[in-house]
Amino acid sequence: QKEVEQNSGPLSVPEGAIASLNCTYSDRVSQSFFWYRQYSGKSPELIMSIYSNGDKEDGRFTAQLNKASQYVSLLIRDSQPSDSATYLCAVIFAGGSEKLVFGKGTKLTVNP
Amino acid sequence: DAEITQSPRHKITETGRQVTLACHQTWNHNNMFWYRQDLGHGLRLIHYSYGVQDTNKGEVSDGYSVSRSNTEDLPLTLESAASSQTSVYFCASSGGTSQETQYFGPGTRLLVL
Repeated sequence: QKEVEQNSGPLSVPEGAIASLNCTYSDRVSQSFFWYRQYSGKSPELIMSIYSNGDKEDGRFTAQLNKASQYVSLLIRDSQPSDSATYLCAVIFAGGSEKLVFGKGTKLTVNP
Repeated sequence: DAEITQSPRHKITETGRQVTLACHQTWNHNNMFWYRQDLGHGLRLIHYSYGVQDTNKGEVSDGYSVSRSNTEDLPLTLESAASSQTSVYFCASSGGTSQETQYFGPGTRLLVL
């Protein structure tokens, strides 16, 4: 069974700190990995996608992928109170026909 | 601008009634998906479609049906609503390759009494 695991948190960091969000997945040959942000009462919105091993940076966000360890993470630098949300890790598994499998999400709170 | 919309945004119904939730996208995406989101379970796939006349069952399809008669719309029908179907429902669409992003609609909050 294809599974995506996240620490449910809550994760609390002070403003300006680095927030580190982690995700593991069950299938070594998975291809596509996504981080979505979801504010309370809103729909998920894509923050980052990553497809190959290594780091991918976009502004204050860095996604890190290690396929050998079946691990993907999201780092948020200079965290702001507006980053407070639930972060969802999602994976398209090989042979999964473009279906996303989501983790249950990690709730992040950035304290001013 | 292209978008994905859902209606109604909020719905209260009674057990046993048939309910249809609408999803409409103007991205011209081939792929469309329905999810439900519940505390403790995250987002779970109900049904999905890769194009007109194509529909497939997801992880939690019992009690739900979909039909795809055009590219833009994928309505979700609850055949006989149950209290266990109280949830937030999200529709999403994507362009059709394994590296395409799924864009989500605003969601429909459904309460079954």
